Parts: sequence; structure tokens; C-alpha cells
Amino acid sequence: TQLLEQSPQFLSIQEGENLTVYCNSSSVFSSLQWYRQEPGEGPVLLVTVVTGGEVKKLKRLTFQFGDARKDSSLHITAAQPGDTGLYRCSNRDNYGQNFVFGPGTRLSVLP
Amino acid sequence: DAGITQSPRHKVTETGTPVTLRCHQTENHRYMYWYRQDPGHGLRLIHYSYGVKDTDKGEVSDGYSVSRSKTEDFLLTLESATSSQTSVYFCAISKGTGGSYGYTFGSGTRLTVV
Repeated sequence: TQLLEQSPQFLSIQEGENLTVYCNSSSVFSSLQWYRQEPGEGPVLLVTVVTGGEVKKLKRLTFQFGDARKDSSLHITAAQPGDTGLYRCSNRDNYGQNFVFGPGTRLSVLP
Repeated sequence: DAGITQSPRHKVTETGTPVTLRCHQTENHRYMYWYRQDPGHGLRLIHYSYGVKDTDKGEVSDGYSVSRSKTEDFLLTLESATSSQTSVYFCAISKGTGGSYGYTFGSGTRLTVV
């Protein structure tokens, strides 16, 4: 099973700051998804990236897929308290049937 | 989201009793999944289904069984609940298995086995 690593594990910042979180693996990703999970709820899909070097933007969130498709980053500009949550990356397992998930980065944005 | 609902949202049960969790979808997606989420372990796949009456085991399937008699319903049964099965259980659905498809998750069932 392909293992996903995420960093940092925890991040606490002030409202208005920028931040970047990372996801990487020793293997090549076929595709990569980013999810955000809030307390008491299930993960919500934010984006899927498929092509090496791909950049996708979702309002203040910028997702980048590494050229070699072994890493990805999520950059948040001018973070807001509503961005607080657990951010997980995910990709298909080696058999292509199911998703595996990284351990997540727990983000806290303080007002 | 109304497309996928889990029931119950919370349950407390005694060790040794059987428990069934229900996942219901209105999206007509072919693929359905059960995960458990535990501190330090993240999300782990229990069982999944790729169609009516077609199911398969995931990473942590011991002590669990599933059934899917209709496209919209995927049931997870703990045959004889143990304290190690105390967890938050998430159901997920997916339209396909290609690289562009992600999951839609339910809101979870918090199960406590005492």
C-alpha cells in the first residue's frame, strides 16, 4: 500500500497569514485528492489533480501537483478562521480500486 | 449533504452485541465504502462495494461484515462488538474508480462499545 506523508502535522496561525502544507510519497501518484474535514463531519473533497505540474485554484486555496507526481502542496492565502480543519491528501491504492489517505495536517486559524 | 446519509449518528452498545450501521445514498453511485477513523491511524478501509451484492474486504475487515441488496443502501454489521471497535465510522460513495473521481463522505457514526 502506498504511504502518504503530510507535513506539518499541526499548524496554528493568525488570521490573515499565508500557509503551505505538503503531501508526498516515495511512489508516483496516479492522481491526488485534497480533502478538508471539520469536527463532527466527514471529509469534503476540495480538488483532484491529475497531471504533473498542474496548478488549481479554489478561491484563496492553491493546489499544486509536483512535476514528477510524487508530491503536492496546498497554499492558503490570507487564512481565515473558517479555514480551520484537518486537511488530508489521498490517492488511489496500488490496485486502483480504493483511496488511501494521509494522516492529515490539523490547521487552526486564530481570529 | 443530502446525497449520502448515515444512521445512527451516535450509538452506545455493549460488548458482544451485534450492531448494524446504515449508509443510504440518493446519487445512484455504483461504489460505496466503509471507513473507520481513529486517532493515530487516520482513515482505514473496512469493506467496499462495487455494485449490488458485490463486496470486498478492505484493510481492517476482521469482525465486520457488509451487505448491499440495493444500490442505495450499504450496511455495515459488527457481528459481536468489541471495545477495539469503538470508533467513528464513515461511509463514502464514488461515481467511478478512475483518477478523476473522488469520494463523497457521510457525516459519520460515532460508535462506543462499553
